[in-house]
Amino acid sequence: GAGVSQTPSNKVTEKGKYVELRCDPISGHTALYWYRQSLGQGPEFLIYFQGTGAADDSGLPNDRFFAVRPEGSVSTLKIQRTERGDSAVYLCASSLSNFETQYFGPGTRLLVL
Amino acid sequence: DAKTTQPPSMDCAEGRAANLPCNHSTISGNEYVYWYRQIHSQGPQYIIHGLKNNETNEMASLIITEDRKSSTLILPHATLRDTAVYYCIVRVNNDMRFGAGTRLTVKP
Repeated sequence: GAGVSQTPSNKVTEKGKYVELRCDPISGHTALYWYRQSLGQGPEFLIYFQGTGAADDSGLPNDRFFAVRPEGSVSTLKIQRTERGDSAVYLCASSLSNFETQYFGPGTRLLVL
Repeated sequence: DAKTTQPPSMDCAEGRAANLPCNHSTISGNEYVYWYRQIHSQGPQYIIHGLKNNETNEMASLIITEDRKSSTLILPHATLRDTAVYYCIVRVNNDMRFGAGTRLTVKP
């Protein structure tokens, strides 16, 4: 079956711009996660959704980062006033329910110039 | 939070078993050990997980010591396509705490 998909696969933007990154979870998965991975490091947790609500957003680095999942399926990670330090691969994962195995998408590679 | 310690890199000959160690001496009784791998420019791929007992699936085997303070991921017949970074994770709630992992290089 189809796995987790993320769009775009690559995004180049300028410092100060706004970006949106999209995640389509595996069909029927109620839990969705966002991670960020900097070069040479392991993924770092950002936020977790159970259904439509953000159950844990403790990993979001600051208030420029925001994520939504309005219908409990597709999620969008939004970054305002991007900074060069936001450049990273943004990974999305989903699981059947909370505490189940997480399956990752291919990621969106964000480059802020 | 329980942390994991893994060697930064390992080599393995093609066709031989790859044994990847992981230390998690502060693991709690209800925390699972998960293994993922990440091939260059791809998202992490789930391999296997376990709590107390050894586990085996089509990809690998997971051996967990009786005291649960360490584990070993075994790829029984490594191929060149198994070259990747392997992450051992002790799961804390719903976020996976990835470390730096072990970079496994399978050589012909």
